[in-house]
Amino acid sequence: KQEVTQIPAALSVPEGENLVLNCSFTDSAIYNLQWFRQDPGKGLTSLLLIQSSQREQTSGRLNASLDKSSGRSTLYIAASQPGDSATYLCAVIRGFGGTSYGKLTFGQGTILTVHP
Amino acid sequence: KAGVTQTPRYLIKTRGQQVTLSCSPISGHRSVSWYQQTPGQGLQFLFEYFSETQRNKGNFPGRFSGRQFSNSRSEMNVSTLELGDSALYLCASSWGQGNTEAFFGQGTRLTVV
Repeated sequence: KQEVTQIPAALSVPEGENLVLNCSFTDSAIYNLQWFRQDPGKGLTSLLLIQSSQREQTSGRLNASLDKSSGRSTLYIAASQPGDSATYLCAVIRGFGGTSYGKLTFGQGTILTVHP
Repeated sequence: KAGVTQTPRYLIKTRGQQVTLSCSPISGHRSVSWYQQTPGQGLQFLFEYFSETQRNKGNFPGRFSGRQFSNSRSEMNVSTLELGDSALYLCASSWGQGNTEAFFGQGTRLTVV
């Protein structure tokens, strides 16, 4: 059974800091890994998708890496801003032989607070 | 392009009643998945539909059911509501094959009293 763990559970940083969020998963047979952010009471916003064959993806100030063999992914946020305050979730979708199973398994999330 | 639309946004129901939630995916997407989010359990997978067929199912009781229509719109039904069913219900759409990037709706907040 796939288990996804995110560390730390909460993080508070001053504006301008670079930070790293960690995600680990127990079953390396993943099809892809996706990072999301969630604002209170809202739905999830997709940030980055990393296919299992890729090592990293970048979008603006965000960079996500994937190491399937060790079951780890990191989300790097450069020059953090108060608007980055949200819960960040990573999720993996299991795959086998190039077919995904349509089910995302989520970590519990990291609550990020960036204070001015 | 339009995103994933969930209706209604908020619902208050009484124990024992049933409820139907609706999800309209992004145009062209054929896969719709449903998730339950609670403070204690986080995000838990309910089921996934692809081209009107349930392709995957989570560990929820049979009171939770769903269906998908030919236009890919999906509905989720919960019968005999319990207090513990109070949660944010989220649906996600994706192409379902190849590129499986999931896009979520804003959710339906269900409160059972």
